[in-house]
Amino acid sequence: QVQLVQSGAEVKKPGASVKVSCKASGYTFIGYHMHWVRQAPGQGLEWMGWINPNNGGTNYAQKFQGWVTLTRDTSINTAYMELRGLNSDDTAVYYCARSLSGSSELDSWGQGTLVTVSS
Amino acid sequence: QPVLTQPPSSSASPGESARLTCTLPSDITVGGYSIYWYQQKPGSPPKYLLHYYSASYTGRGSGVPSRFSGSKDASANAGILLISGLQSEDEADYYCMIWPSNAWVFGGGTKLTVL
Repeated sequence: QVQLVQSGAEVKKPGASVKVSCKASGYTFIGYHMHWVRQAPGQGLEWMGWINPNNGGTNYAQKFQGWVTLTRDTSINTAYMELRGLNSDDTAVYYCARSLSGSSELDSWGQGTLVTVSS
Repeated sequence: QPVLTQPPSSSASPGESARLTCTLPSDITVGGYSIYWYQQKPGSPPKYLLHYYSASYTGRGSGVPSRFSGSKDASANAGILLISGLQSEDEADYYCMIWPSNAWVFGGGTKLTVL
């Protein structure tokens, strides 16, 4: 079955960077886009961007351009999301989710990774 | 980026129907977009429910029961999620989503309470 398993919770200081991983199994990794979505405590969902694991192509939400980097390692079926210059507003649960194309439904989601930014 | 408007809360009794709305901004027309709906329960990731573009172009996620359906209200410029035969397990947050210009946009979510 399709599984997206994310790395564990992180605590970071303001100004630091964080890199979250998302390991895929149960399907052909390069056949699906991987999206990243975040959710601040008690808030709604915010789309950050996607990566096409087949060619490494990316598409970022305007808000996150220049601030987040999506990468992948096809040898281990893993996608990564790196966010730089963290501040307290970046405290959130970060989810990875796959879709057949960049504009189709996000049909499977990771369990989420809580990133806490605190001094 | 456009903002999708969802009422923050809604409630209905078991066995009744719930009609959740997702209103698009006035500068984009609901007729031109597929509306995607997700359900999220506390402590869990979102789950894809369905998408609706038209009666002939719609689909539900794997395992999603047929009592979840989509539609549009062109006069209100809104997408609709209809949940019939409400069950206690339907109590959750529901988010709509569209792809207006090479980026996904979510609504703010509606918390559905099953009384």
